[in-house]
Amino acid sequence: EPEVTQTPSHQVTQMGQEVILRCVPISNHLYFYWYRQILGQKVEFLVSFYNNEISEKSEIFDDQFSVERPDGSNFTLKIRSTKLEDSAMYFCASSVRRNTEAFFGQGTRLTVV
Amino acid sequence: DAKTTQPTSMDCAEGRAANLPCNHSTISGNEYVYWYRQIHSQGPQYIIHGLKNNETNEMASLIITEDRKSSTLILPHATLRDTAVYYCIAVISNFGNEKLTFGTGTRLTIIP
Repeated sequence: EPEVTQTPSHQVTQMGQEVILRCVPISNHLYFYWYRQILGQKVEFLVSFYNNEISEKSEIFDDQFSVERPDGSNFTLKIRSTKLEDSAMYFCASSVRRNTEAFFGQGTRLTVV
Repeated sequence: DAKTTQPTSMDCAEGRAANLPCNHSTISGNEYVYWYRQIHSQGPQYIIHGLKNNETNEMASLIITEDRKSSTLILPHATLRDTAVYYCIAVISNFGNEKLTFGTGTRLTIIP
């Protein structure tokens, strides 16, 4: 069964460092998303991406965040200068089109120290 | 997106049908009702979605009331692996608004 793959599963970084979280969406999907979940809190939408551009972003997704689809398979989330409060589980998701099910990866646990 | 209201927690005996309610009294005509679940901090998993009609797939059934103000997710024969947090989400079907707004959901515990 096709699945969304995220790497690494766990990343520890120092405050102020840049991190790149990587995702391989399902191959025929056209919509891509990042969500995050701070420990014990709700899953929060960060950004959606379609046709090589951001289609929607939340207030959380400020100038410190960027997304890219550098080739036909990877979808990345970059955090330029990490803060302690960026510590969370980051989930990538993809869907074949609008208003269909989104498939989520297993997440990357980011710990900023 | 319309606000949805779900009970905080529910228990269900293994092998029984689990019925999870959701209220969405302010839902508009172009909003779908989606159900996802999250098993112990894993990535959310899609279960089912619908607009007006009842829907069924291999995982569950979704019953939407005629006035669309509420719905019920039915897991017909609950197993221990169905223990999870279940989210009912209303999603408007406009271009550029594909996001899922997760609430706190219902924590379903299947009891042996």
